Amino acid sequence: KNQVEQSPQSLIILEGKNCTLQCNYTVSPFSNLRWYKQDTGRGPVSLTIMTFSENTKSNGRYTATLDADTKQSSLHITASQLSDSASYICVVSAARLTGGGNKLTFGTGTQLKVEL
Amino acid sequence: ETGVTQSPTHLIKTRGQQVTLRCSSQSGHNTVSWYQQALGQGPQFIFQYYREEENGRGNFPPRFSGLQFPNYSSELNVNALELDDSALYLCASSFGPLVTKTGELFFGEGSRLTVL
Repeated sequence: KNQVEQSPQSLIILEGKNCTLQCNYTVSPFSNLRWYKQDTGRGPVSLTIMTFSENTKSNGRYTATLDADTKQSSLHITASQLSDSASYICVVSAARLTGGGNKLTFGTGTQLKVEL
Repeated sequence: ETGVTQSPTHLIKTRGQQVTLRCSSQSGHNTVSWYQQALGQGPQFIFQYYREEENGRGNFPPRFSGLQFPNYSSELNVNALELDDSALYLCASSFGPLVTKTGELFFGEGSRLTVL
C-alpha cells in the first residue's frame, strides 16, 4: 500500500530560527515528490516538485531534498517568519503506465507554528 | 491566487440531504481532481475528470459523483449525506491527468461542508 508519513506531527519554533520537516514514503513506482504549504482553512499551495533525478530544490527560504534510495525527503525552512505558520504536506506521485487517474498520495502534514 | 475558484465556501446540511459543490479550473487546464480533507488529515482523492470523463476514482462510495463541463469546470455531488462527510472539499486543476509528469496542480480554497 502506498503511504506517506511525515514527522514531526507538529512543531513550534521562534521567529528567525531554522527548521527541518521530514517525509518518508513507500510509494512505488516513484514518479515525483511535492511539498505544499496549507494555511488553515485554505487550499494547499505548491512549494517544490522533485523528480527521481533531483536531490535538492529551493524556493526562496524553502529547500527540499530527496533521497530516492532511502525514500526520504526533507523540507528545510531558513530564517522562519510568522507567516510560515501553516501545515506542510508532502505528496508523492506514483507512475502509472496504463489507466488513468490521479495517483498522488498525501501525507497528513506537519503543523508548524512560528512564534515571537 | 491560483485561478481555481470554488463555491460555496461554507455550507451546512443535515443528514440525508444532497449537496452540490462547484469548481472553476484555471484557464487552460483541462483536468479537475476532487479531494476530501477531514480536520487534521491530508487530502484524500475522490475522483478526477479529464476532458469531461471520469479518469480515476478513489475509495469513495457511489453517492459521491461528479461532472465536468465543456469549459472544464466541474461539480461534485454527494447524496444521502452522513455526519462523516463533514470536511473541507478541495478542487485542484491541472493540464493533463498528472500521470507521470511534473505538471503543476493548483488547488482552490475549498468548500467547508458541515453535516448536522
